Amino acid sequence: EPEVTQTPSHQVTQMGQEVILRCVPISNHLYFYWYRQILGQKVEFLVSFYNNEISEKSEIFDDQFSVERPDGSNFTLKIRSTKLEDSAMYFCASMRAPGTEAFFGQGTRLTVV
Amino acid sequence: RKEVEQDPGPFNVPEGATVAFNCTYSNSASQSFFWYRQDCRKEPKLLMSVYSSGNEDGRFTAQLNRASQYISLLIRDSKLSDSATYLCVAFKAAGNKLTFGGGTRVLVKP
Repeated sequence: EPEVTQTPSHQVTQMGQEVILRCVPISNHLYFYWYRQILGQKVEFLVSFYNNEISEKSEIFDDQFSVERPDGSNFTLKIRSTKLEDSAMYFCASMRAPGTEAFFGQGTRLTVV
Repeated sequence: RKEVEQDPGPFNVPEGATVAFNCTYSNSASQSFFWYRQDCRKEPKLLMSVYSSGNEDGRFTAQLNRASQYISLLIRDSKLSDSATYLCVAFKAAGNKLTFGGGTRVLVKP
């Protein structure tokens, strides 16, 4: 069964460092997402992406964040200068067509120290 | 007002009982709705889509009421393995945005 895969599963980084979280969406999917979930809190929308462009981004997704689909298979989230409050689980998701079911990767746990 | 709201629970449910809970959404432009299940420290997993006519998948029944802007989930004959957080999700075409509710925690006890 096709699935969304994310790497790494856990990343520890020092405050101020750049991190790149990687995702491989399901191959025939066209809509891609990043979400984050701080421990014990809700799943928060970061960004939606379609046709090599951001469709919508949240207030959380400030200038420190960027997304890219560099090679037609990977979908990456970059945080340029991490803060302690960026510590969270980051989930990638993909969707085949608008309004259809979205499938989530297993997440990357980011710990900023 | 939050875009998607849920009663956080927990709903403590005896094994074999029926439990139901709702989710309300504020954006009438929302087009599609889903229920996801999330286990502790895991990714959200799709439980079922929610259709206007209502739909059933085994012990799970979902309903959508567009007039009142709420979605419901009913679980019959609860199993211990149904213990999880149930996430209500609304999709709107503008921005292709999927918005999650805060989740309803269900604990099924023997």
